[in-house]
Amino acid sequence: AQSVAQPEDQVNVAEGNPLTVKCTYSVSGNPYLFWYVQYPNRGLQFLLKYITGDNLVKGSYGFEAEFNKSQTSFHLKKPSALVSDSALYFCAVNIGGGSARQLTFGSGTQLTVLP
Amino acid sequence: NAGVTQTPKFQVLKTGQSMTLQCAQDMNHNSMYWYRQDPGMGLRLIYYSASEGTTDKGEVPNGYNVSRLNKREFSLRLESAAPSQTSVYFCASSEDITSTDTQYFGPGTRLTVL
Repeated sequence: AQSVAQPEDQVNVAEGNPLTVKCTYSVSGNPYLFWYVQYPNRGLQFLLKYITGDNLVKGSYGFEAEFNKSQTSFHLKKPSALVSDSALYFCAVNIGGGSARQLTFGSGTQLTVLP
Repeated sequence: NAGVTQTPKFQVLKTGQSMTLQCAQDMNHNSMYWYRQDPGMGLRLIYYSASEGTTDKGEVPNGYNVSRLNKREFSLRLESAAPSQTSVYFCASSEDITSTDTQYFGPGTRLTVL
């Protein structure tokens, strides 16, 4: 069975500082990895995904994520955080050759960017 | 282009009442999904529809039914609501059912069952 872990429930960072939201995964095959963001009282918005190719994936709003196969990680990063980045972030994993119905979500990390 | 829309946004039910949550997408996607979100548990799949005319159970289907009305619309019905069904419900759609496809989510319905 596949799983994803977001080890930090809460991450605080000062505005202008770099931010990292951590994600590790477990799958028995090639992983497909996704990041979503959820603003208060809103649905999940797609940020980026890794399917294959370059390990550094660039996405919306200046976010990027690095796929690290040896560490089974897919951490979300941004060079300079904005207060408006404060939201709940979800990492999700699926397996190559599988079905979209198998998309497995982490429990989420609340990011707070302090002015 | 509204993406995925859901109605209602909020609902309060008494135990035993029934209701239908509506979902529509205008992206011409083949596949649609219903999830529930509970604190600290991420999202769990209730039902999905790989294509028009098909529906299948997900991880937590008990107490729910679905209807894929046409390619655009996918509804979720609670026949006899229970307090354990208090949750936020999200509809999503994707172009197809393969694991590379990105799912796009609606704004959610916040349901409270008393």
